[in-house]
Amino acid sequence: AQKITQTQPGMFVQEKEAVTLDCTYDTSDPSYGLFWYKQPSSGEMIFLIYQGSYDQQNATEGRYSLNFQKARKSANLVISASQLGDSAMYFCAMREGQGGGATNKLIFGTGTLLAVQP
Amino acid sequence: GAGVSQSPSNKVTEKGKDVELRCDPISGHTALYWYRQSLGQGLEFLIYFQGNSAPDKSGLPSDRFSAERTGGSVSTLTIQRTQQEDSAVYLCASSPSPGTGFDEQYFGPGTRLTVT
Repeated sequence: AQKITQTQPGMFVQEKEAVTLDCTYDTSDPSYGLFWYKQPSSGEMIFLIYQGSYDQQNATEGRYSLNFQKARKSANLVISASQLGDSAMYFCAMREGQGGGATNKLIFGTGTLLAVQP
Repeated sequence: GAGVSQSPSNKVTEKGKDVELRCDPISGHTALYWYRQSLGQGLEFLIYFQGNSAPDKSGLPSDRFSAERTGGSVSTLTIQRTQQEDSAVYLCASSPSPGTGFDEQYFGPGTRLTVT
């Protein structure tokens, strides 16, 4: 059964330092997509980064990068040069299938609460 | 442009009452999703609509939950005979054209439901 595991309930990082948020997944489908979302205290879900299972390179979006290790089924989010505004809950999510016919629902992990300290 | 909107933003109801939650997706988005987020938890998939296809209802927790999408746009999630365990934030998302690989879901601000 498809599953997302985030083992870090909370993380602290000093401002301007890098931080890695862990995510492992389980699926038997060879085709899948991995997402990271940020949820600030205001509650909205903000898309950060996406990695497809067939993508050859790790995804990057500005200060966000995804350390995709397919054999280990891990998709860790790396935030470089942390800012105070990065303090939020971070969710890893997976969608099985990437082609037509996939249900496209996202399966979410339980999240990691990141606190950036000045 | 306008994002996904949801109403009401907050709803307090008594146990046993029925509630309706509304979602207006981004114009032109063919796919619409409902998720539920209980306190301190991740998001739980409820239901998915795509165009005129039959919805994927596999995430609905009980037959007290139902949803419809009229005219391929606005969606209403209905919870009948509410229970205290239904208290959560209900999030709606839409996406433009799923099934083409990357498919970002744009989330609304959610409706916080409290059942007393």
